[in-house]
Amino acid sequence: QSALTQPASVSGFPEQSITISCAGSRSDVGGYNYVSWYQQHPGTAPKLMIYDVLNRPSGVSSRFSGSKSGNTASLTISGLQTEDEADYYCCSYTSNNTYLFGTGTKVTVL
Amino acid sequence: EVQLLESGGDLVQPGGSLKLSCAASGLTFNNYAMSWVRQAPGKGLEWVSLISNSGGSTYYSDSVKGRFIISRDNSKKMVFLRLNNVSAEDTAIYFCAKDRRSNFNSFDLWGQGTMVVVSS
Repeated sequence: QSALTQPASVSGFPEQSITISCAGSRSDVGGYNYVSWYQQHPGTAPKLMIYDVLNRPSGVSSRFSGSKSGNTASLTISGLQTEDEADYYCCSYTSNNTYLFGTGTKVTVL
Repeated sequence: EVQLLESGGDLVQPGGSLKLSCAASGLTFNNYAMSWVRQAPGKGLEWVSLISNSGGSTYYSDSVKGRFIISRDNSKKMVFLRLNNVSAEDTAIYFCAKDRRSNFNSFDLWGQGTMVVVSS
């Protein structure tokens, strides 16, 4: 099963908003509300930012928000800050009883 | 403190075997499913395997099915991954990750990872 499709890179200026897409199929993103997003800084473990498409864990900034339309999920970062510069991965439960990660997106703060 | 601590990563020859361990602390371990997720050098995240909270159900990615075995010991708050018949494509950092629920949902706690290098 191929990875979910994300843009390789997204960039923005401080205080701007950016959106990262995560394209899948009816067998994963489109079929279930078990889409999550992870932030990973170099050399560290990933961190959960969004779960169940749009929910934020305690302690995650409200600048991060998630949504889904059809087979595509999205992560929006509002009020972009320098510490948001990192790699971001989406992940979905699938009809094969597996998890499927996205290809990953490098976010650069200009 | 709630944390996961992996161990067991090593240099292993192609075709060889290795067992990874993950020790949990500060949480009610038997309430949650546990997964292994790996990341090859310079590459993205790849889910490897999940075991349900009771250990009664296990799931694998196609890339490791038939070669890797996940298990857990709830009395010791540990989860394991046995890697068999490894190849260079298995070279990666292996992360232990706690699920938010007793089965598939999302990973809300990660360990720091343990490195596996497959090379002759």
